[in-house]
Amino acid sequence: QKEVEQDPGPLSVPEGAIVSLNCTYSNSAFQYFMWYRQYSRKGPELLMYTYSSGNKEDGRFTAQVDKSSKYISLFIRDSQPSDSATYLCAMSRVGSNDMRFGAGTRLTVKP
Amino acid sequence: DTGVSQDPRHKITKRGQNVTFRCDPISEHNRLYWYRQTLGQGPEFLTYFQNEAQLEKSRLLSDRFSAERPKGSFSTLEIQRTEQGDSAMYLCASSRPGTGVTEAFFGQGTRLTVV
Repeated sequence: QKEVEQDPGPLSVPEGAIVSLNCTYSNSAFQYFMWYRQYSRKGPELLMYTYSSGNKEDGRFTAQVDKSSKYISLFIRDSQPSDSATYLCAMSRVGSNDMRFGAGTRLTVKP
Repeated sequence: DTGVSQDPRHKITKRGQNVTFRCDPISEHNRLYWYRQTLGQGPEFLTYFQNEAQLEKSRLLSDRFSAERPKGSFSTLEIQRTEQGDSAMYLCASSRPGTGVTEAFFGQGTRLTVV
């Protein structure tokens, strides 16, 4: 079993839809939870990070962490074709430089 | 601020050859990270520098791999005697003093193909 599990998709939605992306993990020591967006042949771009449990909102993006279930989510409201990319979840322990990534979910938003 | 710069963007090499990649972090970022990403997978941690000191290395960093960061500025990652399994995207990231990898900015990566 991988330490971080992420459904690879692909996920296809119409423009304007609400997108839900999820990851599960097994290591209870993880305290930082990140979401990255990666366009084809580009480096990952940090969207947002959360420390410990709770919700965090940034524009159309909302990140949720449920440590009791070891489950994190990223919601994208009013999705746009420009949101089409691979979304990677990542997590790390306090004081560690070793982020553990999921395999990424490929999202396509159709006009 | 032009972001993290990596060179070359693409490298094709024959098995057994040595290759070297360069990373220029964002100016004033004293923390630098190397990650590797294979097709269809998320990045995996290789090593971490704070200034010129290499403070953390992953077990993925075999003895064929060596990384340096002279004078705490740019960094190089060398792979000796390349193998087909080394084919991957090599990503460099950097972050400001007082922050960690959770606030790091990634470069565009160097895509290595070993034939």
